[in-house]
Amino acid sequence: ETGVTQTPRHLVMGMTNKKSLKCEQHLGHNAMYWYKQSAKKPLELMFVYSLEERVENNSVPSRFSPECPNSSHLFLHLHTLQPEDSALYLCASSQGSRDYEQYFGPGTRLTVT
Amino acid sequence: DQQVKQNSPSLSVQEGRISILNCDYTNSMFDYFLWYKKYPAEGPTFLISISSIKDKNEDGRFTVFLNKSAKHLSLHIVPSQPGDSAVYFCAARFSYQLIWGAGTKLIIKP
Repeated sequence: ETGVTQTPRHLVMGMTNKKSLKCEQHLGHNAMYWYKQSAKKPLELMFVYSLEERVENNSVPSRFSPECPNSSHLFLHLHTLQPEDSALYLCASSQGSRDYEQYFGPGTRLTVT
Repeated sequence: DQQVKQNSPSLSVQEGRISILNCDYTNSMFDYFLWYKKYPAEGPTFLISISSIKDKNEDGRFTVFLNKSAKHLSLHIVPSQPGDSAVYFCAARFSYQLIWGAGTKLIIKP
């Protein structure tokens, strides 16, 4: 596979469930990102990992927990979510100083019931 | 408080004509400005960038203009083609982060 892949593409979960989103990049990039996109709103940066270390955490609630085991994989662990967390979750990667050129996966559409 | 604003939710343009998408920003510390394009069921795709020290960057049919005094940038697509129909996002870089606009849906009419 090429580019950035995300699984699952769709997820429905109850507020008491625990689930994980997975992202994998095949581009040899050294930075990875999680974004949230709610309807009609701008993309919101959630987490940034550079060289497998978290460098940004934009005041995201602790019910979202990221994990970056290596430079190719990124996870978002979800626990006790709220209905307002329903959104499209996008993963992206970039390389070096051109971090403004980000390559996105297709996203996971999350619905919290 | 949105630092990057795209005030037009949608824009309709005839095929072959020029499409102009606009974006305003408030933070003078942004050092790069970007345009991304998004088709349904896909993630955004990088289109073109401009450094804050430039006022124009061109790549084929796509040209981005930056007016720093007005804190305004625009994307020109000439000529517009049916495949250009998509949502276009403006974004700006500050430190590690990209700050995004809400997007403009461009519809190219045959």
